[in-house]
Amino acid sequence: DAGVTQSPTHLIKTRGQQVTLRCSPKSGHDTVSWYQQALGQGPQFIFQYYEEEERQRGNFPDRFSGHQFPNYSSELNVNALLLGDSALYLCASSLPTPGIGETQYFGPGTRLLVL
Amino acid sequence: AQRVTQPEKLLSVFKGAPVELKCNYSYSGSPELFWYVQYSRQRLQLLLRHISRESIKGFTADLNKGETSFHLKKPFAQEEDSAMYYCALSGLGEGGSEKLVFGKGTKLTVNP
Repeated sequence: DAGVTQSPTHLIKTRGQQVTLRCSPKSGHDTVSWYQQALGQGPQFIFQYYEEEERQRGNFPDRFSGHQFPNYSSELNVNALLLGDSALYLCASSLPTPGIGETQYFGPGTRLLVL
Repeated sequence: AQRVTQPEKLLSVFKGAPVELKCNYSYSGSPELFWYVQYSRQRLQLLLRHISRESIKGFTADLNKGETSFHLKKPFAQEEDSAMYYCALSGLGEGGSEKLVFGKGTKLTVNP
């Protein structure tokens, strides 16, 4: 199992463009969460997908949207890119278990630079 | 509101010395606390989780609900412990997953 994988590893875009980032969860995991990590900061929760639905959302504008596919993989889309969207975008997968909780496993991230 | 505070941005110790990375949290319910570690050029990985009460790589952390703290400790630091450490909390769900709230991280450097 390769664990959580993300593509691409790096991306350069210009302001106003749109970007799509991809994530494949760890084998057996059904929940995918996305985080944004700005330089010098801890990861910040964007949203979480389970059974192809957005289950939770952090404090991010509607320009950030996502999707989960039947095979549990996920995409993060960002429209109308701003310079401030430059960050490392992390995907995490988990398999919540009632009464036990869950551990989120992280991918290597996609580094997005907006010029 | 959920919040995690790691007061030290940088921490430097010598090999063999004890190390303590501080973490304080704010959460109204029953939180689950984690320590994640990121070694140079590697992905973020779980170091330990308070609910499992394990000791990983010699690190331990005790949840102190009275002081709302979850400090990470190791009695004898090793050079390979040099990394970025993040404290995180998650609400204990009833079967649903919960988001992680991270602190800003502490960069630990262990000098030879």
